[in-house]
Amino acid sequence: QSVLTQPPSVSGAPGQRVTISCTGSSSNIGTIYDVHWYQQFPGTAPKLIISGNRVWPSGVPDRFSASKSGTSASLAITGLQAEDEAHYYCQCYDPSLSVWVFGGGTKLTVL
Amino acid sequence: QITLKESGPTLVKPKETLTLTCTFSGFSLSTRGVGVGWIRQPPGKALEWLAVIFWDDDRRYSPSLKSRLIITKDTSKNQVALTMTNMDPVDTATYFCAKRLGDTSTGGAYDHWGQGTLVTVSS
Repeated sequence: QSVLTQPPSVSGAPGQRVTISCTGSSSNIGTIYDVHWYQQFPGTAPKLIISGNRVWPSGVPDRFSASKSGTSASLAITGLQAEDEAHYYCQCYDPSLSVWVFGGGTKLTVL
Repeated sequence: QITLKESGPTLVKPKETLTLTCTFSGFSLSTRGVGVGWIRQPPGKALEWLAVIFWDDDRRYSPSLKSRLIITKDTSKNQVALTMTNMDPVDTATYFCAKRLGDTSTGGAYDHWGQGTLVTVSS
């Protein structure tokens, strides 16, 4: 069971806006440390797409954005495209344990 | 250009020790702030952070696996190794090494990843 909680799946039609939530605690997301987001296609390594509130690296479309509030964070994708269909993972740092933690992942389906 | 590549056995028996090597290029583990970590992913499941080693030889481990893990570096060879003892079928996973993005040994994302290597634990 992952330290950070994400919905197992979300879906949206092309052109729509979807959000993926990531819920943690005061020990991780609720600290000063940024939340990061990764995109993973089947059979490939995860790719960092947002570090904190910045898309990473340059080349990631600005349709992707992220935010954090309290002990939760979210990834928003606007103008949904078929190529966005993938798994998305959030990640943060837990300073109380000095460890990096991941969410359980969310499968995004483009209808 | 930054690259990382994992190598090691694809099949290990239960109770055996696994050693994986991450060979990287395009950056140096002697540069302040640089870290290389290991993350694994069982088939069809989520990512799990395992360990990281930093430029100053600082090492961090997942609390649940700490007793079974050792991470080391060979700066001259641009390699990081992960040793996991007492392997079990539940350790079957794709193991990734990744470069940590950051200036200090806290926080940060993993900005470059290897392709991963699937390790199966079976007798």
